[in-house]
Amino acid sequence: NAGVTQTPKFRVLKTGQSMTLLCAQDMNHEYMYWYRQDPGMGLRLIHYSVGEGTTAKGEVPDGYNVSRLKKQNFLLGLESAAPSQTSVYFCASSYSARENTEAFFGQGTRLTVV
Amino acid sequence: QQQVKQSPQSLIVQKGGISIINCAYENTAFDYFPWYQQFPGKGPALLIAIRPDVSEKKEGRFTISFNKSAKQFSLHIMDSQPGDSATYFCAASSETGANNLFFGTGTRLTVIP
Repeated sequence: NAGVTQTPKFRVLKTGQSMTLLCAQDMNHEYMYWYRQDPGMGLRLIHYSVGEGTTAKGEVPDGYNVSRLKKQNFLLGLESAAPSQTSVYFCASSYSARENTEAFFGQGTRLTVV
Repeated sequence: QQQVKQSPQSLIVQKGGISIINCAYENTAFDYFPWYQQFPGKGPALLIAIRPDVSEKKEGRFTISFNKSAKQFSLHIMDSQPGDSATYFCAASSETGANNLFFGTGTRLTVIP
């Protein structure tokens, strides 16, 4: 049982380049999330999905796009990377049930934009 | 705008001591208050959580105290151990908000042997 797996774990991009971060979960969770973690700012929600084929904006969505074509996968895209997007990105997933809303996190992707 | 405010930013405690981390919120729609623990190089993991229908929840050495009227909640770690050294995040969510978690800024706890 792998839980939540993020690919890649590290990446260095040049300003203006694009990339896609992949998140895969094997727990059959309905909800999936992308967060970014920056020093002194905690984790901030970028985009989220409440089910296959659905996505919605979080707190800091600008400069990112997402897709949820399959229930188990949630992709985060950067079309034109900027130095301000240097961060550690975490994917998470959870059940939708009110009584069990624990979010399970991946190990993170450390992205540096130069 | 930080929806959940957390303090202190860092905390140093002697082994065996009590670690206390505080959080405050404004949104009265929040109805789920978890604490997450994060070790370096790892993703956050759920430590303990509480809903506003109770004022306290205890799991082993970890206790959440919740004050609904003051819109505050805190994490107490009793008999703190070096293995507890990590960053702790409080968070809040509401069912009406798609259960999205709003995190505090984190507290780096160091337990000195």
